[in-house]
Amino acid sequence: EVQLVESGGGLVQPGGSLRLSCAASGFTFSSYWMSWVRQAPGKGLEWVANIKQDGSEKYYVDSVKGRFTISRDNAKNSLYLQMNSLRAEDTAVYYCARQLIIAVAGTPLNWFDPWGQGTLVTVSS
Amino acid sequence: DIQMTQSPSSLSASVGDRVTITCRASQSISSYLNWYQQKPGKAPKLLIYAASSLQSGVPSRFSGSGSGTDFTLTISSLQPEDFATYYCQQSYSTSMYTFGQGTKLEIK
Repeated sequence: EVQLVESGGGLVQPGGSLRLSCAASGFTFSSYWMSWVRQAPGKGLEWVANIKQDGSEKYYVDSVKGRFTISRDNAKNSLYLQMNSLRAEDTAVYYCARQLIIAVAGTPLNWFDPWGQGTLVTVSS
Repeated sequence: DIQMTQSPSSLSASVGDRVTITCRASQSISSYLNWYQQKPGKAPKLLIYAASSLQSGVPSRFSGSGSGTDFTLTISSLQPEDFATYYCQQSYSTSMYTFGQGTKLEIK
């Protein structure tokens, strides 16, 4: 069974740091792009960052550039999100998600599946 | 950035109803459009990918259509387990994915 399990969330003060982890199982982790997506309480979904299979490409939403770093350890089947200089607006449930990319007639269609259960990050004094 | 706008934001319907949710992109995204279902306290679940392809295991009452800027998610006959929030997501811009604001489907 394909499974993603996040951990590392918690309460942190503004300006603080936190490192999230996502443990993957049931598939060849090193073959997939991976993403972090977050959801503020009562709000919609916001893509945060993603990383290529070998870690050579990383992309971020503008609001976290320079503060968050996505990384992975393929030997440990794990995805990480290092979050620094945290702000109240970073309060959210953070989900990791596998990205499926399939080329159809030269078009790289892609989507998120599956998602982990999420881990809650609360930034508050 | 590509903006995604869903309508309506909320919808009340009855079991057995046919329901349509619309998603509009701020620029053409071809068929780079996915739909997710999220129930309270749970992670999103993929329903439709590439605008109209049904994810394995998803009931056939769900269908997607559209291309370019206008897309729809249709549930042909609502079941009790379908009451949830639905999100569209564009995957055209691979360095900046964006979601619609969500459509909350409630029981009438």
